[in-house]
Amino acid sequence: KAGVTQTPRYLIKTRGQQVTLSCSPISGHRSVSWYQQTPGQGLQFLFEYFSETQRNKGNFPGRFSGRQFSNSRSEMNVSTLELGDSALYLCASSLGLGGRGEQYFGPGTRLTVT
Amino acid sequence: DAKTTQPNSMESNEEEPVHLPCNHSTISGTDYIHWYRQLPSQGPEYVIHGLTSNVNNRMASLAIAEDRKSSTLILHRATLRDAAVYYCILSGSYSGGSNYKLTFGKGTLLTVNP
Repeated sequence: KAGVTQTPRYLIKTRGQQVTLSCSPISGHRSVSWYQQTPGQGLQFLFEYFSETQRNKGNFPGRFSGRQFSNSRSEMNVSTLELGDSALYLCASSLGLGGRGEQYFGPGTRLTVT
Repeated sequence: DAKTTQPNSMESNEEEPVHLPCNHSTISGTDYIHWYRQLPSQGPEYVIHGLTSNVNNRMASLAIAEDRKSSTLILHRATLRDAAVYYCILSGSYSGGSNYKLTFGKGTLLTVNP
């Protein structure tokens, strides 16, 4: 069974630009959660999608948004990039809602904002 | 969000048992206790989770105190591949509803000596 895949793996953007990251969950998994990981703040929950609906949201500004498609694939968008958005963005998939069971993480997308 | 407290780092010798402690004195009755680990340059990996009773799986055991204010992850025979950051996480109910999210702390860096 293929694991969680994330594309692209590395990305360099300029301040003010926007970026879209993609996550393909494990086949059969209906939940996709997104996390931001930085050396200073650690792993922080962004949001979770289940059956194309956002079910949970962390404490991030509205510049961070996401969506989920009918095949459970998910995208995350960050608009008006800031230097502080440089981070490893991880997605995780699970059969049900993520907080109750096992989540399977992808390798992440390393975003650098210059 | 309920918080967890873990030692910043621990050391173990190969093939010896490892007990990783976690304090969560503000845990609520509906919070699940999860453990994930993260190897260098990889996304987090699920280890184990539980609610009230002790749990065992092929990777580890989770011992939960009777009052649920603390728990211990037990690796029965540490190997060099177990060297990682171990996160103890509570998945609390979001806005008092049925949606749960994971809130990661700083974790414990486990070093395994050959």
